[in-house]
Amino acid sequence: AQTVTQSQPEMSVQEAETVTLSCTYDTSESDYYLFWYKQPPSRQMILVIRQEAYKQQNATENRFSVNFQKAAKSFSLKISDSQLGDAAMYFCAYRRHSGGYQKVTFGIGTKLQVIP
Amino acid sequence: ETGVTQSPTHLIKTRGQQVTLRCSSQSGHNTVSWYQQALGQGPQFIFQYYREEENGRGNFPPRFSGLQFPNYSSELNVNALELDDSALYLCASSLDPSGGYEQYFGPGTRLTVT
Repeated sequence: AQTVTQSQPEMSVQEAETVTLSCTYDTSESDYYLFWYKQPPSRQMILVIRQEAYKQQNATENRFSVNFQKAAKSFSLKISDSQLGDAAMYFCAYRRHSGGYQKVTFGIGTKLQVIP
Repeated sequence: ETGVTQSPTHLIKTRGQQVTLRCSSQSGHNTVSWYQQALGQGPQFIFQYYREEENGRGNFPPRFSGLQFPNYSSELNVNALELDDSALYLCASSLDPSGGYEQYFGPGTRLTVT
């Protein structure tokens, strides 16, 4: 079974600074997707960034980028120029590439606090 | 384009009762997945529906069941409620059950079982 581990329950960052959230996962599959989701307080979960395992290039979305280390099964999220609106729970998630349904396995989450 | 909506927002039930939660998928999406998110935890996959059929299930007992309607909206039914069923229930819709299609989440239904 696939597992996703987030070892940082809480993180804090000064506004405009950079923060990195860590995630490791375990799978026997060779092809899969990895995601970072953001869940603001009392608001809907939204996709921040997605990485396809067969792509060596790290995904980037504006201020958000990942460091994907396939051999180490590590998938960290870097947030640059942190903004107050970045404060939220961040979930790392995994999904198999093949298969007929979209079971997504989530980590326990990291609560990010942004300090003005 | 209308996003994913869920009803009700909050619900309080007594142990042993039954509950039905509802989800309207995003326009054009034929796939709906349901997740249970206990307090302080990440979401856990319950099951997925595609074109009115259940096509995948997580480690949840049979008292968790669902339906998907021709308009692709969906219901989650939980029978014989237990205290541990207290959680935020999320639904997510997507264009297709396979591949890398993005899942769009609803705001969730907060269920409290007393």
